[in-house]
Amino acid sequence: GNSVTQMEGPVTLSEEAFLTINCTYTATGYPSLFWYVQYPGEGLQLLLKATKADDKGSNKGSEATYRKETTSFHLEKGSVQVSDSAVYFCALRDGGSNYKLTFGKGTLLTVNP
Amino acid sequence: DGGITQSPKYLFRKEGQNVTLSCEQNLNHDAMYWYRQDPGQGLRLIYYSQIVNDFQKGDIAEGYSVSREKKESFPLTVTSAQKNPTAFYLCASSIQDTPNQPQHFGDGTRLSIL
Repeated sequence: GNSVTQMEGPVTLSEEAFLTINCTYTATGYPSLFWYVQYPGEGLQLLLKATKADDKGSNKGSEATYRKETTSFHLEKGSVQVSDSAVYFCALRDGGSNYKLTFGKGTLLTVNP
Repeated sequence: DGGITQSPKYLFRKEGQNVTLSCEQNLNHDAMYWYRQDPGQGLRLIYYSQIVNDFQKGDIAEGYSVSREKKESFPLTVTSAQKNPTAFYLCASSIQDTPNQPQHFGDGTRLSIL
């Protein structure tokens, strides 16, 4: 079956530091890949997506590249701010029987001023 | 503004009681979903619906029920058969139930046991 593995948190950074959150996946077929962000007490917001190999998704200074050869979709951001503190989820959907969205367990990021 | 509205934000359930969580969307999306989120875990799919009057079980449907009588609405009932209902429940929708369409989420309902 499908699965998503994210680096375990929590991750603590200082403002303006470089962020990388690793994500690797296992899937049948050719999935679409997503990063979602969850701020405290809220639902999930779509951060970025990539639907085919070598696509780069980007939004709000964050980016991730769909790497089919390494089955990875690592999230990167060049300079984090306190407002980036949240839980980040990597997820995939494939063309299987019900297009289910499969999530990683989430990575808690805390950015200190 | 278009979006997904979940209510209530907080809900308390007594032993042996059924409770219903509301989810309404005005995005004109065909597909809707219910997820459960527990601390330190990812989201797990409870039920989903691709069209009105049709829905399918997800990975953890036992102890839950849903209906989809209107396109905009997908209420979730947590029955007394669900022995560990304390969790954060998230409703989502997407234009179609296809792989490259993202799901859009509501702000969630936190359910606790009295």
